[in-house]
Amino acid sequence: DIVVTQSPDSLAVSLGERATINCKSSQNILYSAINKNCLAWYQQKPGQPPKLLIYWASIRESGVPDRFSGSGSGTDFTLTIDSLQAEDVAVYYCQHYYGTPPYSFAQGTKLEIK
Amino acid sequence: EVQLVESGGGLVQPGGSLRLSCAASGFTFSNFWMTWVRQAPGKGLEWVANIKEDGSEEYYVDSVKGRVTISRDNAKNSLFLQMSSLRTDDTAVYFCARDRGGSYYEDWGQGTLVTVAS
Repeated sequence: DIVVTQSPDSLAVSLGERATINCKSSQNILYSAINKNCLAWYQQKPGQPPKLLIYWASIRESGVPDRFSGSGSGTDFTLTIDSLQAEDVAVYYCQHYYGTPPYSFAQGTKLEIK
Repeated sequence: EVQLVESGGGLVQPGGSLRLSCAASGFTFSNFWMTWVRQAPGKGLEWVANIKEDGSEEYYVDSVKGRVTISRDNAKNSLFLQMSSLRTDDTAVYFCARDRGGSYYEDWGQGTLVTVAS
């Protein structure tokens, strides 16, 4: 099974600054038939279910602010939050959906304000 | 508006059984893969199982294989998770989620808490 791992486990960033979270897959998750990487990013705030932010590694879900962006290919991916806002405090997860399930999540990154 | 409402959680003793339900509305349920994801208290998300639109394919994480069965009733717009031989490490909030194309999850329920304890 594919394992996805995030770094760092926690991160403190000042308001207005950039936050960067990394996600690494144990295998190449590029779906070559459509040249898309099978990776999603979610945001979870306390007491709430996760919210989809990014899919196919770089496509922003409708309604998600454009300060959120995803990048990367193959095994290494990044979620970037530009100009951090107070409402961005949350735990962020990456998840692969390559091939046959299980489609595992990484352990998460807790983002706080410095 | 898409709505997913889980129910059936509660306190159960180790070795016991429980059946979770997820009532779906606001979309054509039979057109979507569906998934269960769980989250132990204070921990991260764990993918548990998913099921194809017509119920013809099911997949499970290794830690629940043989103890958990996912099913659906498209006529009643409902998703189920039958859990048996429950262990203390099955304690978690269980979310149902609507897949987009059998891949990532665009809609989630609020979850139902399962507590396995004596």
